[in-house]
Order: sequence, then structure tokens, then C-alpha cells
Amino acid sequence: GAVVSQHPSWVICKSGTSVKIECRSLDFQATTMFWYRQFPKQSLMLMATSNEGSKATYEQGVEKDKFLINHASLTLSTLTVTSAHPEDSSFYICSARKGSTEAFFGQGTRLTVV
Amino acid sequence: QQQVKQSPQSLIVQKGGISIINCAYENTAFDYFPWYQQFPGKGPALLIAIRPDVSEKKEGRFTISFNKSAKQFSLHIMDSQPGDSATYFCAASVSGNTPLVFGKGTRLSVIA
Repeated sequence: GAVVSQHPSWVICKSGTSVKIECRSLDFQATTMFWYRQFPKQSLMLMATSNEGSKATYEQGVEKDKFLINHASLTLSTLTVTSAHPEDSSFYICSARKGSTEAFFGQGTRLTVV
Repeated sequence: QQQVKQSPQSLIVQKGGISIINCAYENTAFDYFPWYQQFPGKGPALLIAIRPDVSEKKEGRFTISFNKSAKQFSLHIMDSQPGDSATYFCAASVSGNTPLVFGKGTRLSVIA
């Protein structure tokens, strides 16, 4: 099946620094990718929709300046958490749809801000 | 407004038994209904999906039943095994480059 690869799997950073998470579609082109955030024992919460070559669309309540999304190519989207704080610690997951239906997810990135 | 309601929140099943998880949706424009399995610390993995033009789809031990008029769909796991212990999410979406809407998840524990 289609593969979406996310890197890194986990990262620890100091408060105030920025962290970049990469999401790649390995065997298909993705004009659109999605970024989710998941808190422990909760469901996935959509943060933003990443569109290749254009600005991302953010969900209500998600800070655009804190969560910078770049979708520079048809196989790569990046999420940068800027000026990270402990409350940004979470599990971040990207997703891409192959064709018009199947949606595949990356392995997720566990971010811990200390 | 929660567009996809999932139940139960948690489920304990004996090894070899049938696990049943139910979901209900509200948006009649939805035309794609996948189920995902998630293990701790991992991303969700696509298990099986159905479109509204069929009432049932089976893949191995996993079956989706779909009731369009009731706007409900369910996942049945036959011959449940301890390795099936995970969190299961139902989801729904409109086809195309649109995001999935997820249920809240069901934590399944299969005990020997």
C-alpha cells in the first residue's frame, strides 16, 4: 500500500526553540496533506490542510504563526513548531490521500518541550 | 458538533470472540468510511474502508457493515486475538482532497 513517512519519530527540544517535522509521500504525489495533533487517549484533531504551492488552511483555534506549514513539493510537507513551549508537547501526525479516497498516515512525531 | 459518533469508548473481548464497534454520522455528503487501527506511539493504520454503494465489505477477519438509511456503520472483528488489542477509529469524509472526520476512538482489549 501507499506509504507516508514522517520524521523524526520523536524529538525533545528546549522551550523557546523551533522544531521542524517532515512528512513525505513515498510512492505517490500528494497535492494536499493534512496535519493532526493527538493528545493522550484522545482522537486526532485536524490542525491544518497543507496545499502544494499555496498557503495552508488552518482550523479554527490553531495559531498560524506558531505552526508554520510549508508544502514545497508534491511529496513533502513540513510543520514547524516555532518558539515551542511545554503546552505544545503532543503527538503530531501527518496524512495524505492517494487518489480520491484512501488516506494514509505517517508514523507520528512525539514532541516533548522541556 | 461531533459529526461522527463512535461507541463504545472501550471494549473487552475474550480471545476468539467477536469485537463490534459502531459509528454514526450526520453529514449525508460523506461517501468514504474507513476504519483505522492505532497502537500506542504509532500513527493510525488503514484497516478497511467502505463506500455507501455497498452494505458490507469483508477483508480477512475484519468486516464493515454499512446502513445508509440509518447513517451508521460498524466494524466487526471475528476471532479476536490479543494482537488486535489497540485503539480503533472510525472516520468519514467526502471523496477528494478533504480531511477525514474521526470518531473518538474505541480501546479494544482482547484477553486470553
